[in-house]
Amino acid sequence: AQSVAQPEDQVNVAEGNPLTVKCTYSVSGNPYLFWYVQYPNRGLQFLLKYITGDNLVKGSYGFEAEFNKSQTSFHLKKPSALVSDSALYFCAVRDGVNNDMRFGAGTRLTVKP
Amino acid sequence: DAGVTQSPTHLIKTRGQQVTLRCSPKSGHDTVSWYQQALGQGPQFIFQYYEEEERQRGNFPDRFSGHQFPNYSSELNVNALLLGDSALYLCASSLETGGRESTDTQYFGPGTRLTVL
Repeated sequence: AQSVAQPEDQVNVAEGNPLTVKCTYSVSGNPYLFWYVQYPNRGLQFLLKYITGDNLVKGSYGFEAEFNKSQTSFHLKKPSALVSDSALYFCAVRDGVNNDMRFGAGTRLTVKP
Repeated sequence: DAGVTQSPTHLIKTRGQQVTLRCSPKSGHDTVSWYQQALGQGPQFIFQYYEEEERQRGNFPDRFSGHQFPNYSSELNVNALLLGDSALYLCASSLETGGRESTDTQYFGPGTRLTVL
């Protein structure tokens, strides 16, 4: 069965600095990888996904993620963080057979002015 | 273009009661998935409905059941509520592109916050 690990519960960065939120996965077959963001008392908002193709995926709000098959990682990145990026970020994975997505436990990103 | 909507926003029930949560998918979507998100955790897959049938189910007891209507909207029913059922229940919709290997993105609604006392 597929699984996702987000090794950091909390990430703190200063506004204007680059940010990275880490994600590693385990899946049989080809992975379908997703990043979502959740603001307080809200549902999840889709940021980006990797299905196939270029390892660097660009998404909403200036975020991007790099798929690394050898390291089974899909880290979320942004070159210059904004205070408004502060939220809870979830990585998720599906395989090519099952329709359920497995989510990580989430990483709370705090961007300080 | 309306996104995924869920009702009610909040709900308070007591142990042993039954609850029904509702979801309307994003316009053009035909597949609905339900997730339970306990406080401080990531969403856990409950089940997915497509063509009015439960297509896949996560590790949840039979107390959790669902339904999908011809207009693609869906309900989640939970019987014999337990304190541990208190959570945010999220509905997500997507478009089935054919076959089981759907790569489509799931779009989430705002959720229903269920509190069981």
